[in-house]
Amino acid sequence: KQEVTQIPAALSVPEGENLVLNCSFTDSAIYNLQWFRQDPGKGLTSLLLIQSSQREQTSGRLNASLDKSSGRSTLYIAASQPGDSATYLCAVRPQKSSGDKLTFGTGTRLAVRP
Amino acid sequence: NAGVTQTPKFRVLKTGQSMTLLCAQDMNHEYMYWYRQDPGMGLRLIHYSVGEGTTAKGEVPDGYNVSRLKKQNFLLGLESAAPSQTSVYFCASSYSVGGQSSGNTIYFGEGSWLTVV
Repeated sequence: KQEVTQIPAALSVPEGENLVLNCSFTDSAIYNLQWFRQDPGKGLTSLLLIQSSQREQTSGRLNASLDKSSGRSTLYIAASQPGDSATYLCAVRPQKSSGDKLTFGTGTRLAVRP
Repeated sequence: NAGVTQTPKFRVLKTGQSMTLLCAQDMNHEYMYWYRQDPGMGLRLIHYSVGEGTTAKGEVPDGYNVSRLKKQNFLLGLESAAPSQTSVYFCASSYSVGGQSSGNTIYFGEGSWLTVV
């Protein structure tokens, strides 16, 4: 059974700092990995999706990397801002099959202090 | 473009009552899902559907039933609510290609907060 772990569970940083969020998974037979952002009381918003054949994806100040063989992904946030405060979730999708049954980590709650 | 819409957003139930959560998507997606989110446990898949008229069990299906009579709608039912079903419920949908995963982004609704007392 796939298990996804995110460390740390919570993180507080001053504005402007660069930071890294970690995601690890136990079964490397994945189709892709997706990072989501969740604001309090809201749904999940997709940030980046990395296919299993890719090493990284970038969107603005966000960069996600994937090392499938070691079962790890990182989300790098450059020059953090208070608006980045949210919970960040990673989720892995099993290899191509009927139904995209994602397995989620428990998330990292990020607070960026002004 | 509304995306994925869930109703109701908030509901309080008494133990033993029944209710239905409605999810609607306007993206013509084949796949739809119901997840629940509990503190410290992440999101867990309850049931999912790979097309109109089909449903399948996820990780935590007990106590829930689902129906997908129309492609755009996915209903989650609680026949006899229990306090353990107090949670935030999320519906999601995604696109498929030839019945298989497209590998593309999954879209989530805003969530439905359910409290069972």
